[in-house]
Amino acid sequence: EDQVTQSPEALRLQEGESSSLNCSYTVSGLRGLFWYRQDPGKGPEFLFTLYSAGEEKEKERLKATLTKKESFLHITAPKPEDSATYLCAVQATVGESGGSNYKLTFGKGTLLTVNP
Amino acid sequence: GAGVSQSPRYKVAKRGQDVALRCDPISGHVSLFWYQQALGQGPEFLTYFQNEAQLDKSGLPSDRFFAERPEGSVSTLKIQRTQQEDSAVYLCASSLGWVTKNIQYFGAGTRLSVL
Repeated sequence: EDQVTQSPEALRLQEGESSSLNCSYTVSGLRGLFWYRQDPGKGPEFLFTLYSAGEEKEKERLKATLTKKESFLHITAPKPEDSATYLCAVQATVGESGGSNYKLTFGKGTLLTVNP
Repeated sequence: GAGVSQSPRYKVAKRGQDVALRCDPISGHVSLFWYQQALGQGPEFLTYFQNEAQLDKSGLPSDRFFAERPEGSVSTLKIQRTQQEDSAVYLCASSLGWVTKNIQYFGAGTRLSVL
């Protein structure tokens, strides 16, 4: 069974205080790892996809990295508008029944609060 | 609009009522997914369509849940005889392809409250 564990559950930062969010995963075969941002009352907003260990992607103050067991979302000099829940999800290549898989398996998310 | 559209945004149902939730995917997107998100949790997979074919319904929690996408575009998630444990946000997502171009884009969701 595919599993995704995110830590910490909640993180409070001061504006400008850099930090990292962790996503540990177990999956039979990884097709892709996805990071989403979710604001209250809204659906998840796509941030990054990583496909192989060693891959990195950046967008503004965010940088995502991937190893064979975990992914990190690094936030550099965060601003209050970065406050949100950050969700990590994996897409396995094979489903539980042995056929092709297309669904995402999500972690519970990290609630990030950035204070001014 | 360019995004995934879901309606209604909020639905209040009395226990035992049937409800229907609608999803309009991004135009041209072949794949469509339904997820259920409980408060404080990540989304959980319910079912998946490739065009009009329902290829995976392993996440549907009971036979009270039914989804369809008859013309390969708009999809409806139907819940019969709603129960309090069905209260959640129901999210729809679509993607252009399924192996490549597989980024799933989500709608804002329908918040279902069963009283």
